This record gives sequence, C-alpha cells and structure tokens, in this order.
Amino acid sequence: AQSVTQPDIHITVSEGASLELRCNYSYGATPYLFWYVQSPGQGLQLLLKYFSGDTLVQGIKGFEAEFKRSQSSFNLRKPSVHWSDAAEYFCAVARGSNDYKLSFGAGTTVTVRA
Amino acid sequence: EPEVTQTPSHQVTQMGQEVILRCVPISNHLYFYWYRQILGQKVEFLVSFYNNEISEKSEIFDDQFSVERPDGSNFTLKIRSTKLEDSAMYFCASSQTGTSAETQYFGPGTRLLVL
Repeated sequence: AQSVTQPDIHITVSEGASLELRCNYSYGATPYLFWYVQSPGQGLQLLLKYFSGDTLVQGIKGFEAEFKRSQSSFNLRKPSVHWSDAAEYFCAVARGSNDYKLSFGAGTTVTVRA
Repeated sequence: EPEVTQTPSHQVTQMGQEVILRCVPISNHLYFYWYRQILGQKVEFLVSFYNNEISEKSEIFDDQFSVERPDGSNFTLKIRSTKLEDSAMYFCASSQTGTSAETQYFGPGTRLLVL
C-alpha cells in the first residue's frame, strides 16, 4: 500500500521568508500527488497536483511543488510567505488514474511570525 | 466559488448513541466521499459513494457506519452506535468524476466527540 510521510510536524517561518514543506511517498509506480491546505475553520483546499509531465508544478497562492522520482519526494515551496499562509498542509497520494482514494500524510503546521 | 458544506461543525454525543453527520456536496458533482482524522493521526479514507451506492469502503467502515443520499442535495454519514474511538474530525468531499485527475473538494469538517 502507498504511504505518505511528512517529516516536519511543525514549522515556524518569518513573514517574507521562504518556506519548504517536505513530503515523501512510498509507492512502486508514479502516483498521483497532491498538496492540500487547511486554514482554521476551513475545509481542505487543493493547492496543486501532479500526474505527469513537467516535474515542477505551479499551484494557487504562489505555491509550487517539485516531483523528484529518485528521491520519492514531492516538496512544496513558496518563495515569500505571507501571514495568511499560516495553516496546516497535507500531502496526499492516489495510486493511479482510477484510484480516487487519497492517502494523506500527517500534516505540517506552519506558523508565520511577524 | 461553490463549496462543500457540513453540519454540524461540532457534535458531542454519549457512547452508544447514534449520530448523523450531514454534508451538502457541490451541486454538479457525482462522487462523494467521507474521510476522518483522529486527533494526532492522518486523514483516512472511509467510503466513496456514486450512483446511490457505495463504490468502495475501507476496513474502518464497518457495520456501524452507513451513508445515504436522502435527497438531491444531502449526503449523510450515520454512526449507529458510537464508540469512544469514533471521536474524530469527519470530512466530506465531492468530485465530478471518480478519477484521481479530478479534484476532490472538501468540506470544513465535523468534529465529533464521543464521551
């Protein structure tokens, strides 16, 4: 079965600084990869997803993620963090095109300090 | 932008009681899901629903759980006899199709506490 690991439980970053959230997956083939964000009181919102093609994908809110097959990673980045980026971030994986079940990582909570 | 809504946002119940969690998926979506997140643990898939029947369920989704689309808009999760370990955040999601390429839109969740 596929699994997703987010090594960082909590990250604190200064406003304006860069942010990188790590995600590693365990799956034999290339999975479908997702990053979701959850702000307090809100649902899980999709930031971006990767299926194939260009390994650097752009998402909403200025986020991007890079798929690295050799490292089984799909790390999320943002060059300059805003206070509104404080939230919990989840990496998720689905096994293939007809497997809609998402397997989530444990999440990384991001705190932004002024 | 259309969104998935869930009610209630919080529910406290006694062990053994029945609870019904409600969700209103996005109106033109055909696939519906329930996930849950026990505090401190990962978000886990429970069940998917399409064309008025369960299309897939996890091992978590035992006979205590049931889902229903009672009308054209609501999608419900019923826990027949709640246990302490059912305490979790329950997320409803919907998508237009049942493929990974299709984004699943999640609701804000219902936090269930079983005492």
